[in-house]
Amino acid sequence: DGGITQSPKYLFRKEGQNVTLSCEQNLNHDAMYWYRQDPGQGLRLIYYSQIVNDFQKGDIAEGYSVSREKKESFPLTVTSAQKNPTAFYLCASMGTGNQPQHFGDGTRLSIL
Amino acid sequence: RKEVEQDPGPFNVPEGATVAFNCTYSNSASQSFFWYRQDCRKEPKLLMSVYSSGNEDGRFTAQLNRASQYISLLIRDSKLSDSATYLCVGANAGNNRKLIWGLGTSLAVNP
Repeated sequence: DGGITQSPKYLFRKEGQNVTLSCEQNLNHDAMYWYRQDPGQGLRLIYYSQIVNDFQKGDIAEGYSVSREKKESFPLTVTSAQKNPTAFYLCASMGTGNQPQHFGDGTRLSIL
Repeated sequence: RKEVEQDPGPFNVPEGATVAFNCTYSNSASQSFFWYRQDCRKEPKLLMSVYSSGNEDGRFTAQLNRASQYISLLIRDSKLSDSATYLCVGANAGNNRKLIWGLGTSLAVNP
């Protein structure tokens, strides 16, 4: 089955630690996205990538980094510079044209 | 003004009721729109795509009014399982392939 896989489902970060969230898709989509969602809030775009080896900052990129070395993969690193990382992180991908985005089932990140 | 605006609700309706949500957008060049539903602590799931004047899928009807720049979602014969947050989304008219997300409308269908 085609889809988007995020891992882990739950993640805990210690002070001063970088953590990496995985996102893999087998939908052959060019574009991939990372969003953050806080409780009771909407989706906020962190980073997105339209093509391999290229990515752009979204609205809240500070304290995060990404890479796009393969079409299928778009990992997100939450760095120690992100002082309030506790949130629900959603990865999405999108095909060509005016297509909707498809989501993985998310990673919940908390601070220890 | 936000690019995509929704009434946050909550909408509380009895089972079997018809409920309608409106969503307004500010960028008149936006070409396509989507409705997603999001259950508590889950990812958004696509409910309906709206590319022209509207779309219908069973109990759900979406209508697009480009002149007034709003999209509506009508749910007929509400079920308990329709309780969720409904997100209105517009495709950015530029080439950057970003979607513009509304903050969502909360629906609770009561027995």
